[in-house]
Amino acid sequence: QQQVKQSPQSLIVQKGGISIINCAYENTAFDYFPWYQQFPGKGPALLIAIRPDVSEKKEGRFTISFNKSAKQFSLHIMDSQPGDSATYFCAARGGTGANNLFFGTGTRLTVIP
Amino acid sequence: DAGVIQSPRHEVTEMGQEVTLRCKPISGHNSLFWYRQTMMRGLELLIYFNNNVPIDDSGMPEDRFSAKMPNASFSTLKIQPSEPRDSAVYFCASSLWEASNQPQHFGDGTRLSIL
Repeated sequence: QQQVKQSPQSLIVQKGGISIINCAYENTAFDYFPWYQQFPGKGPALLIAIRPDVSEKKEGRFTISFNKSAKQFSLHIMDSQPGDSATYFCAARGGTGANNLFFGTGTRLTVIP
Repeated sequence: DAGVIQSPRHEVTEMGQEVTLRCKPISGHNSLFWYRQTMMRGLELLIYFNNNVPIDDSGMPEDRFSAKMPNASFSTLKIQPSEPRDSAVYFCASSLWEASNQPQHFGDGTRLSIL
């Protein structure tokens, strides 16, 4: 079964707008939540990550919001740019001592100029 | 520093043939992961190694798949015999295995097509 649920499957945003991608999980043992960005023909690359003891993390135009009680986290891309057009994956790490990641199904983001 | 290196980048072969995918992790990394990516199933973890030892192979779809890591700088994923449903992009990733938040670094993948 899918350990991390991601939505939407695809997203179209105007340049300058805010892109929001949501993820949810069930396993409370997960202890690390990264977001990966993937361009066509390339492997996923780490974008930003958060631990569950923090409610928000911001790096430039990218922000993760984390709601531990709801077991949800989201990626916000402010001032979206055409160069942000890519597939985004949320993920969760298996817990203490584990270093395997469970990935969401991905969101294809298109930013229109 | 060189990233994770995978070879070949593309492989086209006929059903029933043996396929071997190769991966060189980032130097100094002691965890290695093999993933498969398809439109239908997304990114699936097949197997991962810590210090060259397989830790979890529950994602390996069936006995036709096998993976080895004979040393810290090389791993293979083998499919024998291959079937059309094995067509996918296969990624290798590596990381430092420790309690802190070390990211997985992915290679650019091998696009496998089984005819």
